Amino acid sequence: GAGVSQSPRYKVAKRGQDVALRCDPISGHVSLFWYQQALGQGPEFLTYFQNEAQLDKSGLPSDRFFAERPEGSVSTLKIQRTQQEDSAVYLCASSPLMGVSFQPQHFGDGTRLSIL
Amino acid sequence: SQQGEEDPQALSIQEGENATMNCSYKTSINNLQWYRQNSGRGLVHLILIRSNEREKHSGRLRVTLDTSKKSSSLLITASRAADTASYFCALLSGSRLTFGEGTQLTVNP
Repeated sequence: GAGVSQSPRYKVAKRGQDVALRCDPISGHVSLFWYQQALGQGPEFLTYFQNEAQLDKSGLPSDRFFAERPEGSVSTLKIQRTQQEDSAVYLCASSPLMGVSFQPQHFGDGTRLSIL
Repeated sequence: SQQGEEDPQALSIQEGENATMNCSYKTSINNLQWYRQNSGRGLVHLILIRSNEREKHSGRLRVTLDTSKKSSSLLITASRAADTASYFCALLSGSRLTFGEGTQLTVNP
């Protein structure tokens, strides 16, 4: 079956613009995660959804970052008034069950965001 | 939140050799996971080892966990050029996975 799909793969925006990044998780997966990965670093957690409920958004770096998953499937990460430090790869992951303890996460290939 | 620290940061070996990467952490864990990331791609889950397990195998991969030393190792045997990638250990803290900075493995043909 299809894996996690993210779009666009690449996004270039001017500083101050708003951007929206999309994640299509594996069908039926309950849990969805967003990560930010700077060049040469490991991914850093941003936020976690269980179905449509955003259970943890403690990793979002500022109130310019907003994520939603209104119908419990597709998710959108929105960044308002982008800054240069927002340049990174944004990874989405999903897993089939509720809770995160003993299950691997399935990652998409990410969106590479460049802010000029 | 706690974070695993991988060692070494970079490793270059010849095809056919074994590669060993280590991960150290500071607090207690439920499980530890290893992921692989090819350049420009997402992460791929390799192995999950639970805190009550000491060793786990999957094909050419062998993972060990020593909770007394708070460390784990990933061994790739008989490496291939296609194993070239970054390898991350990931620890669970609450609802989040935390990743280290990874080990960049290069396998030369």
